[in-house]
Amino acid sequence: AQSVTQLDSHVSVSEGTPVLLRCNYSSSYSPSLFWYVQHPNKGLQLLLKYTSAATLVKGINGFEAEFKKSETSFHLTKPSAHMSDAAEYFCVESGGTSYGKLTFGQGTILTVHP
Amino acid sequence: SAVISQKPSRDICQRGTSLTIQCQVDSQVTMMFWYRQQPGQSLTLIATANQGSEATYESGFVIDKFPISRPNLTFSTLTVSNMSPEDSSIYLCSVSQGESTDTQYFGPGTRLTVL
Repeated sequence: AQSVTQLDSHVSVSEGTPVLLRCNYSSSYSPSLFWYVQHPNKGLQLLLKYTSAATLVKGINGFEAEFKKSETSFHLTKPSAHMSDAAEYFCVESGGTSYGKLTFGQGTILTVHP
Repeated sequence: SAVISQKPSRDICQRGTSLTIQCQVDSQVTMMFWYRQQPGQSLTLIATANQGSEATYESGFVIDKFPISRPNLTFSTLTVSNMSPEDSSIYLCSVSQGESTDTQYFGPGTRLTVL
């Protein structure tokens, strides 16, 4: 069975410093991988998607993620955190089946201090 | 991407009652899904809503508890039946469009509290 592991349940950074949210996936084949963000009392917003076209994926709001097959990792980064980045982030894997079942990581809550 | 709305946005219900949640999309979509997010937890897929046929349920979820309808390509409902406090969760619908069925866009969610 697929599994997605987000290595940190909480990450705290100061505004203007880099953000690193870590994710490991389990698939032995090349999966489709996603990062979603959930702001308090809001729905999920797609940040970025990896589908094997390029290992470095750029998303919205200055976020990017790098796919590393040798490490089965798909970490999310941003060079400079903004207060509005405070939210919960989910790393997600698609099983690649015809109906596109998504497997979610447990989430990482990002706190940004002024 | 499609604009997705859900009704109600939140509700407080009594034990033993049922609630039907609606999901409306502003354009025709290929697939529609229903997820549950229990307090402090990640999302779990309940079922895939199939247009014109019975939904496909994931392990641990059954039709009698979570009946789903999808009468057309833009609308689906999820009913939470005979509710108990353990059903208190956020319920989200998601959709995918075109051939990229693994990219899903989510509605704002319905926050359900069962007393």
